[in-house]
Amino acid sequence: QKEVEQDPGPLSVPEGAIVSLNCTYSNSAFQYFMWYRQYSRKGPELLMYTYSSGNKEDGRFTAQVDKSSKYISLFIRDSQPSDSATYLCAMSAPGNQFYFGTGTSLTVIP
Amino acid sequence: ETGVTQSPTHLIKTRGQQVTLRCSSQSGHNTVSWYQQALGQGPQFIFQYYREEENGRGNFPPRFSGLQFPNYSSELNVNALELDDSALYLCASSLEGTRAYEQYFGPGTRLTVT
Repeated sequence: QKEVEQDPGPLSVPEGAIVSLNCTYSNSAFQYFMWYRQYSRKGPELLMYTYSSGNKEDGRFTAQVDKSSKYISLFIRDSQPSDSATYLCAMSAPGNQFYFGTGTSLTVIP
Repeated sequence: ETGVTQSPTHLIKTRGQQVTLRCSSQSGHNTVSWYQQALGQGPQFIFQYYREEENGRGNFPPRFSGLQFPNYSSELNVNALELDDSALYLCASSLEGTRAYEQYFGPGTRLTVT
């Protein structure tokens, strides 16, 4: 079983839609949860990071962590064509390495 | 503030050869991690360096080795290249402590092994 599972998509939505991206994980020791955005032929860009459970909001982006279900989500409100990219979840236990999902490819259609 | 830079951008090598990839950390960051990202996959952790010492290693063979220099720049060396080593190699820099989880990635080096 992989440490982190992420639906690769692809996901295609119209401009202005709410996008929901999700990851599940198996390691209950994970406490740090990150979301990265990766444009084609670029390195991943850190969007948000959350410690433990709960919600975190930053502009149009909201990250949710449900440790009891080992499930994390990223919501994008009012999606824009510039949001078209691959979204990677990543997680880590304290002092330990990062484990990434395979990424979800998102296209926002104008 | 300068971001993370990597060189070269692209590289083509032959199976069995050796390669060195380079990374300059974001200004002020003393921790560098290296990742391998195969096409259509997420990054896989290779190893991390903190103040010139290896500080964690993923499931990669010893032919993957690294260095970190006093200015916190870093190198990834891969010996005896195999076809499966073809991938995007990413480095990420961060600060230690609670900010270690804020990793900033460079653009990557795309390695093709033929």
